Amino acid sequence: DQQVKQNSPSLSVQEGRISILNCDYTNSMFDYFLWYKKYPAEGPTFLISISSIKDKNEDGRFTVFLNKSAKHLSLHIVPSQPGDSAVYFCAASGQVSGTYKYIFGTGTRLKVLA
Amino acid sequence: KAGVTQTPRYLIKTRGQQVTLSCSPISGHRSVSWYQQTPGQGLQFLFEYFSETQRNKGNFPGRFSGRQFSNSRSEMNVSTLELGDSALYLCASSLAGNNNHEKLFFGSGTQLSVL
Repeated sequence: DQQVKQNSPSLSVQEGRISILNCDYTNSMFDYFLWYKKYPAEGPTFLISISSIKDKNEDGRFTVFLNKSAKHLSLHIVPSQPGDSAVYFCAASGQVSGTYKYIFGTGTRLKVLA
Repeated sequence: KAGVTQTPRYLIKTRGQQVTLSCSPISGHRSVSWYQQTPGQGLQFLFEYFSETQRNKGNFPGRFSGRQFSNSRSEMNVSTLELGDSALYLCASSLAGNNNHEKLFFGSGTQLSVL
């Protein structure tokens, strides 16, 4: 039962264009969402987060949008750069059935073409 | 400030053997979580330790176990290895974890290959 899903395993975008990575979750008890970036041979690193009381959070070229009614969040990267090529994981956290959960999606491999 | 350190970086074992992986969290971090990464499965949560106690556990068989020491360092053990255990094992630390919405700091992982 995958509670956090990233339905696109890979995405290719031209340098300078917008990259949009999507993430869906199933449990409305999740109340905090994060994106991590992972380069090969390294551990994931935190990128940006959003609380469920907001619908948008921006940090430089990165913006995360949250649609609670659709249980959907997306990460926008504008403009995309070759150095953004990595695997991106979304994560959802919150108290679910009395237990704190921090669950990751399956990841989307982004390739930014120069 | 040193990051999360995992040792060893690579391990090759054969089926039926056991293995122990080590993780040293960032100084001052008391929560340590372990994840398994395999292609197509993302990061699967194994367990989380805080103050030497297992606080959360994922859906892995009992062959996977762990512990945390008083200095917050953690070890993960896998017994009776199976081919399907081949994966990247990641350790992550945070100050307190558990509903504090903290970001996790990951180590570079241990790549385990079971032959």
